[in-house]
Amino acid sequence: QKEVEQDPGPLSVPEGAIVSLNCTYSNSAFQYFMWYRQYSRKGPELLMYTYSSGNKEDGRFTAQVDKSSKYISLFIRDSQPSDSATYLCATSGGSNYKLTFGKGTLLTVNP
Amino acid sequence: DVKVTQSSRYLVKRTGEKVFLECVQDMDHENMFWYRQDPGLGLRLIYFSYDVKMKEKGDIPEGYSVSREKKERFSLILESASTNQTSMYLCASSLPRGTSGSTDTQYFGPGTRLTVL
Repeated sequence: QKEVEQDPGPLSVPEGAIVSLNCTYSNSAFQYFMWYRQYSRKGPELLMYTYSSGNKEDGRFTAQVDKSSKYISLFIRDSQPSDSATYLCATSGGSNYKLTFGKGTLLTVNP
Repeated sequence: DVKVTQSSRYLVKRTGEKVFLECVQDMDHENMFWYRQDPGLGLRLIYFSYDVKMKEKGDIPEGYSVSREKKERFSLILESASTNQTSMYLCASSLPRGTSGSTDTQYFGPGTRLTVL
């Protein structure tokens, strides 16, 4: 079983839709959870960071972690064409500080 | 804001050439990382360094070496480039765990798209 699983999509939604992006992970030692956004041919940029379980909101974005089910989610409200990108989840914890990444979900928001 | 810069955005090299990819960060981070990113394979860790002159192999170190002579600079070296090393190369940095404000979060550079012909 891969340590972090992420549906690669692609996901296509109309402008204004609510988008839900998800990852599952297998290592119960993971305690730091991040979402990165990567535009085409650019480096990933940190979007949201969460420690342990719970929700975190930043504008139109909400990150959610459920450690009991090992499930990570990113919600985008009122999606915009500028949100079109690949979204990567990442986790870390346990004995080292290396990040374990999902393979990314390609999102397209259509005007 | 953390800034990570990479020496080239696009690079074209010939098979067998020695290739240097440079990365510089300006936030005094101890940890630095080199990844490659390929369609369908995601981000794969090549090497990382947790201090000057210290390095550890990642998941795919074969065909690569690294150098870290100064804290802010981490170089990736392809000793003899091959076509299967055509990829997007990404550098990242982070604070060490236990440092005030550390969250294991990594900050990435813009990437170098390397083509080996």
